[in-house]
Amino acid sequence: GEDVEQSLFLSVREGDSSVINCTYTDSSSTYLYWYKQEPGAGLQLLTYIFSNMDMKQDQRLTVLLNKKDKHLSLRIADTQTGDSAIYFCAESNDSGNTPLVFGKGTRLSVIA
Amino acid sequence: GAGVSQSPSNKVTEKGKDVELRCDPISGHTALYWYRQSLGQGLEFLIYFQGNSAPDKSGLPSDRFSAERTGGSVSTLTIQRTQQEDSAVYLCASRAGGPYEQYFGPGTRLTVT
Repeated sequence: GEDVEQSLFLSVREGDSSVINCTYTDSSSTYLYWYKQEPGAGLQLLTYIFSNMDMKQDQRLTVLLNKKDKHLSLRIADTQTGDSAIYFCAESNDSGNTPLVFGKGTRLSVIA
Repeated sequence: GAGVSQSPSNKVTEKGKDVELRCDPISGHTALYWYRQSLGQGLEFLIYFQGNSAPDKSGLPSDRFSAERTGGSVSTLTIQRTQQEDSAVYLCASRAGGPYEQYFGPGTRLTVT
């Protein structure tokens, strides 16, 4: 079945860049997503990328997709303490209507 | 505008009791999803409603779990004869047409004692 893998923890200093990595197994993945979950809150979509793209940039966020290696990364530039949260990688296939398959999430801790 | 809402926010129940969790999706969203977030397990898909089509129940872990969506809007997830392993945060999401964002509610934290 489909699987999405992420490292569980990442710790960075305030002002540094954070890079959160994700690998997936489903070669038919069409849409790949990054969600953020702050303590006690639901999931918030940060960004998504279509599988025919290599890169997407949105302000401090840069998403890189290596479709050959089925590797997705999220880079947060100038990481702030407010970026401390759990970040989930997710994928869907077909038209994107199917339920998302999530990784277990990466807990990002930002040290002031 | 109003987002996805869920109730209750917290539910503590005794093992063996039935519980109902409610989700109010964003008005006009045709798709509704239930997920479960267990400690250390990430998010697990449970069930998916799309318009008037039969729901995709492939993620339900046992026949103790069921869900309804009435009038294409509000959804209720029912867990019968709850077990301790059912303890988790149950998240609901809704989506407008197209392969775009699923909007998540804040979740219901279920604790089975």
